Amino acid sequence: GAVVSQHPSRVICKSGTSVKIECRSLDFQATTMFWYRQFPKQSLMLMATSNEGSKATYEQGVEKDKFLINHASLTLSTLTVTSAHPEDSSFYICSAYGGGNTGELFFGEGSRLTVL
Amino acid sequence: GENVEQHPSTLSVQEGDSAVIKCTYSDSASNYFPWYKQELGKRPQLIIDIRSNVGEKKDQRIAVTLNKTAKHFSLHITETQPEDSAVYFCAASKGGGGNKLTFGTGTQLKVEL
Repeated sequence: GAVVSQHPSRVICKSGTSVKIECRSLDFQATTMFWYRQFPKQSLMLMATSNEGSKATYEQGVEKDKFLINHASLTLSTLTVTSAHPEDSSFYICSAYGGGNTGELFFGEGSRLTVL
Repeated sequence: GENVEQHPSTLSVQEGDSAVIKCTYSDSASNYFPWYKQELGKRPQLIIDIRSNVGEKKDQRIAVTLNKTAKHFSLHITETQPEDSAVYFCAASKGGGGNKLTFGTGTQLKVEL
């Protein structure tokens, strides 16, 4: 199957700093990637849809100025959490469809963000 | 938008028994229904999926059924093993490469020896 790689897997930062998470499709091109957030013992909640070469589409309630998404190439999307606060601590997972029209979504390994 | 409900939230079974997890969805346009298994701290892994033109699909010990009229689908795991213990999520989408996946709330399955 298609491979989606995410980096870093874990990051700890101080409150007020910004953190960038990268999501790469390693063996396919992804015009669309999705960013999910998962709090402990909860489901995956879609934050935004990342579109190559255009602005991301954010879900209701997600602050676009706080969670900056850049999808500058067909294999890379980045999520920047700006001015992070402890309540932003979560597991962030990116995903992309592996090509064709199968509908199967492939997930990155996830990034555990801890804001002190 | 799509809303996916999942039950039960926790499920404990004895090894060898069957486990059933049920989901309902709201958007009649949804036509792709995957099931994911997620272990603690790991990414979700697709275990089986079904499309709306099929009523049932089976893969060894795992099966999924879909009732499009009632807008519900279920995951069946037979002969459960301890390694089946994990959180299971159902999801729904309209299929295709650009459509987002909406997840259910998850079921913590525990298979006891």
